[in-house]
Amino acid sequence: GAGVSQSPSNKVTEKGKDVELRCDPISGHTALYWYRQSLGQGLEFLIYFQGNSAPDKSGLPSDRFSAERTGGSVSTLTIQRTQQEDSAVYLCASSLAVKGGAFFGQGTRLTVV
Amino acid sequence: AQRVTQPEKLLSVFKGAPVELKCNYSYSGSPELFWYVQYSRQRLQLLLRHISRESIKGFTADLNKGETSFHLKKPFAQEEDSAMYYCALSGHGGSQGNLIFGKGTKLSVKP
Repeated sequence: GAGVSQSPSNKVTEKGKDVELRCDPISGHTALYWYRQSLGQGLEFLIYFQGNSAPDKSGLPSDRFSAERTGGSVSTLTIQRTQQEDSAVYLCASSLAVKGGAFFGQGTRLTVV
Repeated sequence: AQRVTQPEKLLSVFKGAPVELKCNYSYSGSPELFWYVQYSRQRLQLLLRHISRESIKGFTADLNKGETSFHLKKPFAQEEDSAMYYCALSGHGGSQGNLIFGKGTKLSVKP
């Protein structure tokens, strides 16, 4: 596709369940970012992948959160044993070069009930 | 550490008035600065890059290294400018290329 695609668009899960969120970046983009967007909290950085370098995981809020990027393309963000405070919009972005800026997906709205 | 500060959560102006959205940053090197905008029910999109020194939709932003600021300005605000605006900072690629955002400023342009 032409843009960054995220799936699912919406996810409702029960507290304690695991969830997987998927991001398909723009083809050829070497950098991939995950953010969490909550009301009044802006964009909270979670994790950053750049090519074959070790990912920057410094933003992951707890060890329940993990992410993979397979083959330098598709990425999956996994949240284990979800909690109500995990409810937010999870955004993925990709970029070809830093100076060009990043392109964002439409987000996955996660609701933990 | 990289940090972006947007001091105003909400900025309300009347149509035709000038608008300035403030952004201050903290970074030890020479950063890349960006402004992103999110209109209602749309995805976040890039508005401006400091390196291109461009004007988009009448908005401009100048990097002031002395004041570590990258304020976004428009001389005459329009109702369609109402949106969330995020200032962002990045290093120069590789492990420095992470993109850090401020908490955003909601701009409301009243008729």
